[in-house]
Amino acid sequence: SQTIHQWPATLVQPVGSPLSLECTVEGTSNPNLYWYRQAAGRGLQLLFYSIGIDQISSEVPQNLSASRPQDRQFILSSKKLLLSDSGFYLCASRQTRNEKLFFGSGTQLSVL
Amino acid sequence: SQQGEEDPQALSIQEGENATMNCSYKTSINNLQWYRQNSGRGLVHLILIRSNEREKHSGRLRVTLDTSKKSSSLLITASRAADTASYFCATDVLEGAQKLVFGQGTRLTINP
Repeated sequence: SQTIHQWPATLVQPVGSPLSLECTVEGTSNPNLYWYRQAAGRGLQLLFYSIGIDQISSEVPQNLSASRPQDRQFILSSKKLLLSDSGFYLCASRQTRNEKLFFGSGTQLSVL
Repeated sequence: SQQGEEDPQALSIQEGENATMNCSYKTSINNLQWYRQNSGRGLVHLILIRSNEREKHSGRLRVTLDTSKKSSSLLITASRAADTASYFCATDVLEGAQKLVFGQGTRLTINP
C-alpha cells in the first residue's frame, strides 16, 4: 500500500504571506495525486489533481497553485495568503482511476 | 461542485444499534466509495462498490448501490463507540477527468 507524507501538521500564517505545503508518496510510482481542502465540519473540496509530472488540473479558481516537480512529490503554493485560505488541507494518492485513495494526515492552516 | 450528498448530516445512536447513512449523486459513475474520518485526521477508505454491483459487504459494513436512483447507503451493524467519526461518500465519474468527488459527510456519534 501507499504511504503519504504531508507536513507540517499545523501552520499559522499572516495574511499576505506565502505558502508552500509539500506532499510525498511512498510505495508506488506514477500515481495520480490530489489536493483537497476541508472547511471545519464540511466535506472535501477538490483543489488540484495531477496524473503525471508537470500535468496539473485546477478545479476551482483561487489564490492557490500546485506543482509536481517529481513523480511522487506534489506541492501546494500561494504567493499571498487570504483569510479564506484557512482550512484543513489533505493530500491524496492513488495508482489510477477507479481505485481507492490513500490520504495523508493533513495540514491545518490558519491564516490570521 | 459537489457530486455526492449524504443524509443525514448528523446521526446519534446507542452502542449496539445499527447506523444507516445515505448518499445521492448526480452524474453517471464508474464506482462509489465510502471513507471514514476521525476528527482532525486524514480519511481512510472503507469500501468501494462498482457501478455494476448492487451490494457489497466488509465485516460489519454493508453498502448498497442503486444506479437508477443514483443513490447508495452505508450500513454499520452492531455499532461501537469506536465507530464515532464522519463518513463520506465519493464518486468516480464515468467520463472525463480522473477525479474523486466527495460529499459533505455524515457525522456519526455512538453513545456508550
